[in-house]
Amino acid sequence: AQSVTQLGSHVSVSEGALVLLRCNYSSSVPPYLFWYVQYPNQGLQLLLKYTTGATLVKGINGFEAEFKKSETSFHLTKPSAHMSDAAEYFCAVSGGDYKLSFGAGTTVTVRA
Amino acid sequence: SQTIHQWPATLVQPVGSPLSLECTVEGTSNPNLYWYRQAAGRGLQLLFYSIGIGQISSEVPQNLSASRPQDRQFILSSKKLLLSDSGFYLCAFTRGYYEQYFGPGTRLTVT
Repeated sequence: AQSVTQLGSHVSVSEGALVLLRCNYSSSVPPYLFWYVQYPNQGLQLLLKYTTGATLVKGINGFEAEFKKSETSFHLTKPSAHMSDAAEYFCAVSGGDYKLSFGAGTTVTVRA
Repeated sequence: SQTIHQWPATLVQPVGSPLSLECTVEGTSNPNLYWYRQAAGRGLQLLFYSIGIGQISSEVPQNLSASRPQDRQFILSSKKLLLSDSGFYLCAFTRGYYEQYFGPGTRLTVT
């Protein structure tokens, strides 16, 4: 079985500041890890994914995440926040059983 | 390219009425298909998934059901809606390393 814990249900950052969203996972098999973004009243959009290979993965909109097996973490970062980054973000893990386990989500607000 | 469609986009239904939400995928064959619900403040809840025509797995016992009459069509139904069925319903399909791609969603309000 696999699960995800997102630390912090709400994060507020200033425009231009670092965005850091924390995700820890639990998996009994080598995990595939994902970050999604959801804007109000829209579906989820895949930001980036880790499957195998390079542990630092780059995604869309300037986001990146680093897979750290020793810490069972997959934190999402963006060096400089933009107003358009205000949204809800979900971390997810797959254990290869056709399903994804999602975290509870983190809402990001960006202050001008 | 692969795309996913859902309709309707919004729906207001009275308690006790039936429900039918439709999801179709284009540009791929034999996708895994999923129905999720987002209730206010409750995150994503997996309702059903299907790995092939006629193969439906239910994750949560409730008054909803799902069917897959065609390879790229996934339908969510109810015979009698409850107030607790209100929420944002999302359909998704799998591509590649189990990543899921989501449709635009249906906002259901049960009154």
